[in-house]
Amino acid sequence: GGIITQTPKFLIGQEGQKLTLKCQQNFNHDTMYWYRQDSGKGLRLIYYSITENDLQKGDLSEGYDASREKKSSFSLTVTSAQKNEMAVFLCASRDWGTLYFGSGTRLTVL
Amino acid sequence: GEQVEQLPSILRVQEGSSASINCSYEDSASNYFPWYKQEPGENPKLIIDIRSNMERKQIQELIVLLDKKAKRFSLHITDTQPGDSAMYFCAASQGGSAKLIFGEGTKLTVSS
Repeated sequence: GGIITQTPKFLIGQEGQKLTLKCQQNFNHDTMYWYRQDSGKGLRLIYYSITENDLQKGDLSEGYDASREKKSSFSLTVTSAQKNEMAVFLCASRDWGTLYFGSGTRLTVL
Repeated sequence: GEQVEQLPSILRVQEGSSASINCSYEDSASNYFPWYKQEPGENPKLIIDIRSNMERKQIQELIVLLDKKAKRFSLHITDTQPGDSAMYFCAASQGGSAKLIFGEGTKLTVSS
């Protein structure tokens, strides 16, 4: 079986700071995703990528950049952290239909 | 883009009864509809899915129904148990696209 590793698990930033979240998968899946989940809420799509060097915007892409330099990794950058922002960012890779999620990065902005 | 509406947001049922969650979508080109379960502190996991060439699918106590004309799909959990308590998310994906849009989620509580 494979695994999706997200780093860091917890990220504390300052307002206006640029923050990068990383995701690695060893499933050898082509498609990867970044979702944002606010407390008790649904998953909102930020970016997805169907192959190395491909980037596709989701509905929540404003304020974020993404990078897929290798098939196994997909990183997300918060371009300017918003004060009091708190959310969990979930990375996933896809095998045919099924999404396999990482454990998430919990972001807090002071 | 595709929007997925999910209702209810909160659902409380007694152990042994059935629970139903309903979702609707906008894009008639959507052809794949998975359901994910997320337990507290865990990441979401696929529990059942249905493609547009089917109207009904059952895995043990889970039943999904798809009405393409009405652009609605639903999850039914029969004989609920306390272990079914969790957040449930529906999602929809367009044909030929990897874009997968989730609903807002339903918090299911099964009381004994």
